[in-house]
Amino acid sequence: GQQVMQIPQYQHVQEGEDFTTYCNSSTTLSNIQWYKQRPGGHPVFLIQLVKSGEVKKQKRLTFQFGEAKKNSSLHITATQTTDVGTYFCAGQYNFNKFYFGSGTKLNVKP
Amino acid sequence: NAGVTQTPKFQVLKTGQSMTLQCAQDMNHEYMSWYRQDPGMGLRLIHYSVGAGITDQGEVPNGYNVSRSTTEDFPLRLLSAAPSQTSVYFCASSYGGGALRRTDTQYFGPGTRLTVL
Repeated sequence: GQQVMQIPQYQHVQEGEDFTTYCNSSTTLSNIQWYKQRPGGHPVFLIQLVKSGEVKKQKRLTFQFGEAKKNSSLHITATQTTDVGTYFCAGQYNFNKFYFGSGTKLNVKP
Repeated sequence: NAGVTQTPKFQVLKTGQSMTLQCAQDMNHEYMSWYRQDPGMGLRLIHYSVGAGITDQGEVPNGYNVSRSTTEDFPLRLLSAAPSQTSVYFCASSYGGGALRRTDTQYFGPGTRLTVL
Protein backbone atom coordinates (compact mmCIF):
# COMPACT_ATOMS: atom_id res chain seq x y z
CA GLY A 1 0.00 0.00 0.00
CA GLN A 2 0.93 3.63 -0.14
CA GLN A 3 3.23 4.76 2.62
CA VAL A 4 5.34 7.75 3.51
CA MET A 5 8.54 6.99 5.41
CA GLN A 6 10.11 9.65 7.63
CA ILE A 7 13.56 9.78 9.23
CA PRO A 8 15.05 10.23 11.73
CA GLN A 9 12.65 9.28 14.49
CA TYR A 10 14.41 11.51 17.04
CA GLN A 11 16.90 14.34 16.83
CA HIS A 12 18.61 16.03 19.76
CA VAL A 13 20.49 19.23 18.94
CA GLN A 14 22.19 22.04 20.78
CA GLU A 15 20.52 25.39 20.37
CA GLY A 16 21.97 27.06 17.30
CA GLU A 17 22.63 23.82 15.42
CA ASP A 18 20.76 22.93 12.24
CA PHE A 19 18.10 20.23 11.91
CA THR A 20 16.76 18.26 8.94
CA THR A 21 14.00 15.69 8.61
CA TYR A 22 13.34 13.65 5.47
CA CYS A 23 10.27 12.01 3.95
CA ASN A 24 10.24 9.44 1.21
CA SER A 25 7.54 7.71 -0.85
CA SER A 26 7.98 4.76 -3.22
CA THR A 27 5.41 6.25 -5.61
CA THR A 28 4.87 9.76 -6.93
CA LEU A 29 2.99 12.13 -4.68
CA SER A 30 0.52 14.74 -5.90
CA ASN A 31 1.58 17.06 -3.08
CA ILE A 32 3.07 17.03 0.40
CA GLN A 33 2.30 19.01 3.53
CA TRP A 34 4.34 19.62 6.66
CA TYR A 35 3.03 19.95 10.20
CA LYS A 36 4.41 20.73 13.65
CA GLN A 37 2.94 19.25 16.81
CA ARG A 38 3.93 20.48 20.25
CA PRO A 39 3.77 18.03 23.18
CA GLY A 40 0.15 17.51 24.19
CA GLY A 41 -1.08 19.60 21.26
CA HIS A 42 -2.56 19.08 17.85
CA PRO A 43 -0.79 19.21 14.46
CA VAL A 44 -0.40 22.70 13.05
CA PHE A 45 -0.04 23.20 9.32
CA LEU A 46 3.28 24.69 8.18
CA ILE A 47 3.30 24.50 4.39
CA GLN A 48 2.17 22.65 1.26
CA LEU A 49 4.44 21.78 -1.68
CA VAL A 50 2.89 20.88 -5.03
CA LYS A 51 5.39 21.42 -7.83
CA SER A 52 8.33 19.23 -8.77
CA GLY A 53 11.59 20.66 -7.36
CA GLU A 54 9.73 23.28 -5.32
CA VAL A 55 11.60 25.08 -2.54
CA LYS A 56 9.82 27.31 -0.03
CA LYS A 57 11.20 29.25 2.91
CA GLN A 58 9.59 30.47 6.11
CA LYS A 59 12.17 32.45 8.10
CA ARG A 60 14.60 29.76 9.36
CA LEU A 61 12.64 26.86 7.82
CA THR A 62 13.33 25.59 4.30
CA PHE A 63 11.07 23.04 2.64
CA GLN A 64 11.97 21.08 -0.49
CA PHE A 65 10.01 18.78 -2.80
CA GLY A 66 12.08 16.43 -4.93
CA GLU A 67 12.19 16.53 -8.70
CA ALA A 68 10.43 13.17 -8.93
CA LYS A 69 7.88 14.21 -6.28
CA LYS A 70 8.81 11.18 -4.19
CA ASN A 71 10.77 12.86 -1.42
CA SER A 72 10.72 16.00 0.65
CA SER A 73 12.74 17.61 3.41
CA LEU A 74 12.38 20.22 6.12
CA HIS A 75 15.53 22.03 7.23
CA ILE A 76 15.71 24.36 10.21
CA THR A 77 18.69 26.69 10.43
CA ALA A 78 20.05 27.70 13.85
CA THR A 79 17.46 25.93 15.99
CA GLN A 80 15.85 27.65 18.94
CA THR A 81 14.11 26.17 21.98
CA THR A 82 10.81 27.26 20.47
CA ASP A 83 11.40 24.75 17.64
CA VAL A 84 10.87 21.81 20.03
CA GLY A 85 8.13 19.46 18.90
CA THR A 86 7.40 16.69 16.43
CA TYR A 87 7.48 17.44 12.72
CA PHE A 88 5.30 15.41 10.37
CA CYS A 89 5.07 15.21 6.64
CA ALA A 90 1.77 14.19 5.03
CA GLY A 91 1.67 13.09 1.41
CA GLN A 92 -1.26 12.83 -0.94
CA TYR A 93 -1.51 10.60 -4.00
CA ASN A 94 -4.90 11.69 -5.37
CA PHE A 95 -5.82 14.90 -3.54
CA ASN A 96 -8.02 13.04 -1.07
CA LYS A 97 -6.27 10.70 1.35
CA PHE A 98 -3.35 11.98 3.39
CA TYR A 99 -0.62 9.57 4.45
CA PHE A 100 1.38 10.86 7.40
CA GLY A 101 4.98 10.01 8.11
CA SER A 102 5.74 8.71 11.61
CA GLY A 103 7.26 12.05 12.59
CA THR A 104 10.62 13.35 13.79
CA LYS A 105 10.75 14.45 17.41
CA LEU A 106 13.08 17.42 17.84
CA ASN A 107 14.62 18.27 21.19
CA VAL A 108 16.70 21.44 21.51
CA LYS A 109 19.08 21.87 24.42
CA PRO A 110 19.59 25.48 25.50
CA ASN B 1 -14.37 31.68 14.14
CA ALA B 2 -14.04 28.74 16.54
CA GLY B 3 -12.22 26.68 13.88
CA VAL B 4 -12.48 22.93 14.45
CA THR B 5 -14.05 21.81 17.72
CA GLN B 6 -14.12 18.31 19.16
CA THR B 7 -16.02 16.83 22.07
CA PRO B 8 -15.39 15.23 24.46
CA LYS B 9 -11.74 15.96 25.31
CA PHE B 10 -11.36 12.78 27.35
CA GLN B 11 -13.38 9.56 27.42
CA VAL B 12 -13.05 6.20 29.12
CA LEU B 13 -15.08 3.30 27.76
CA LYS B 14 -15.48 -0.34 28.62
CA THR B 15 -14.96 -2.98 25.97
CA GLY B 16 -18.09 -3.40 23.88
CA GLN B 17 -19.55 0.04 24.56
CA SER B 18 -20.38 2.37 21.71
CA MET B 19 -19.97 6.10 21.51
CA THR B 20 -19.83 9.03 19.12
CA LEU B 21 -16.98 11.52 18.91
CA GLN B 22 -18.23 14.90 17.77
CA CYS B 23 -16.47 17.21 15.32
CA ALA B 24 -17.66 20.55 13.99
CA GLN B 25 -16.11 23.31 11.90
CA ASP B 26 -17.36 26.80 11.11
CA MET B 27 -15.12 27.57 8.13
CA ASN B 28 -17.47 26.15 5.46
CA HIS B 29 -14.87 23.55 4.51
CA GLU B 30 -15.92 20.73 2.22
CA TYR B 31 -13.13 18.33 3.21
CA MET B 32 -13.22 16.78 6.68
CA SER B 33 -11.34 13.83 8.08
CA TRP B 34 -10.71 11.72 11.17
CA TYR B 35 -7.30 10.49 12.27
CA ARG B 36 -6.04 8.40 15.13
CA GLN B 37 -2.61 8.98 16.62
CA ASP B 38 -0.75 6.21 18.42
CA PRO B 39 2.73 6.58 19.93
CA GLY B 40 5.47 6.30 17.31
CA MET B 41 3.02 5.80 14.43
CA GLY B 42 2.12 9.29 13.31
CA LEU B 43 -1.46 9.95 12.28
CA ARG B 44 -3.51 7.40 10.39
CA LEU B 45 -6.57 8.31 8.38
CA ILE B 46 -9.77 6.59 9.51
CA HIS B 47 -12.47 8.13 7.27
CA TYR B 48 -12.82 11.30 5.27
CA SER B 49 -15.52 13.29 3.52
CA VAL B 50 -15.36 15.63 0.54
CA GLY B 51 -18.78 17.14 1.16
CA ALA B 52 -22.18 16.60 2.75
CA GLY B 53 -23.45 13.11 1.95
CA ILE B 54 -20.06 11.88 0.67
CA THR B 55 -17.74 9.78 2.80
CA ASP B 56 -14.97 7.30 2.10
CA GLN B 57 -12.62 5.01 3.97
CA GLY B 58 -9.08 5.84 4.96
CA GLU B 59 -6.23 3.56 6.04
CA VAL B 60 -7.81 2.14 9.21
CA PRO B 61 -11.64 2.26 8.90
CA ASN B 62 -12.56 -1.01 10.65
CA GLY B 63 -14.63 -0.54 13.80
CA TYR B 64 -15.62 3.04 12.92
CA ASN B 65 -18.57 4.61 11.10
CA VAL B 66 -19.06 8.14 9.85
CA SER B 67 -21.78 10.19 8.24
CA ARG B 68 -21.89 13.74 6.89
CA SER B 69 -25.39 15.18 6.86
CA THR B 70 -24.23 18.82 7.01
CA THR B 71 -21.14 20.72 5.90
CA GLU B 72 -20.36 21.64 9.51
CA ASP B 73 -20.51 18.30 11.34
CA PHE B 74 -18.62 15.04 10.89
CA PRO B 75 -19.21 12.63 13.81
CA LEU B 76 -17.19 9.44 14.28
CA ARG B 77 -18.98 6.43 15.75
CA LEU B 78 -17.27 3.58 17.54
CA LEU B 79 -19.59 0.62 17.14
CA SER B 80 -18.22 -1.75 19.81
CA ALA B 81 -15.14 -0.35 21.52
CA ALA B 82 -12.03 -2.51 21.83
CA PRO B 83 -8.78 -1.87 23.77
CA SER B 84 -6.99 -1.56 20.40
CA GLN B 85 -9.00 1.63 19.82
CA THR B 86 -7.31 3.37 22.75
CA SER B 87 -5.76 6.38 21.05
CA VAL B 88 -5.91 10.11 20.50
CA TYR B 89 -8.45 11.04 17.84
CA PHE B 90 -8.12 14.17 15.74
CA CYS B 91 -10.64 15.70 13.40
CA ALA B 92 -9.44 18.01 10.64
CA SER B 93 -11.00 20.16 7.96
CA SER B 94 -9.74 21.78 4.80
CA TYR B 95 -10.87 23.77 1.82
CA GLY B 96 -10.90 21.69 -1.34
CA GLY B 97 -10.29 18.03 -1.96
CA GLY B 98 -12.03 15.57 -4.23
CA ALA B 99 -13.30 16.98 -7.48
CA LEU B 100 -11.56 20.27 -6.84
CA ARG B 101 -8.26 18.38 -7.25
CA ARG B 102 -6.75 20.55 -4.59
CA THR B 103 -6.48 20.39 -0.84
CA ASP B 104 -5.38 23.35 1.19
CA THR B 105 -4.36 23.87 4.81
CA GLN B 106 -5.73 21.21 7.14
CA TYR B 107 -6.97 22.66 10.43
CA PHE B 108 -6.94 20.18 13.29
CA GLY B 109 -9.17 20.12 16.33
CA PRO B 110 -7.72 19.77 19.86
CA GLY B 111 -8.26 15.99 19.93
CA THR B 112 -10.15 13.43 22.01
CA ARG B 113 -8.15 11.14 24.27
CA LEU B 114 -9.97 7.80 24.38
CA THR B 115 -9.17 4.90 26.69
CA VAL B 116 -10.92 1.56 26.27
CA LEU B 117 -10.65 -0.77 29.25
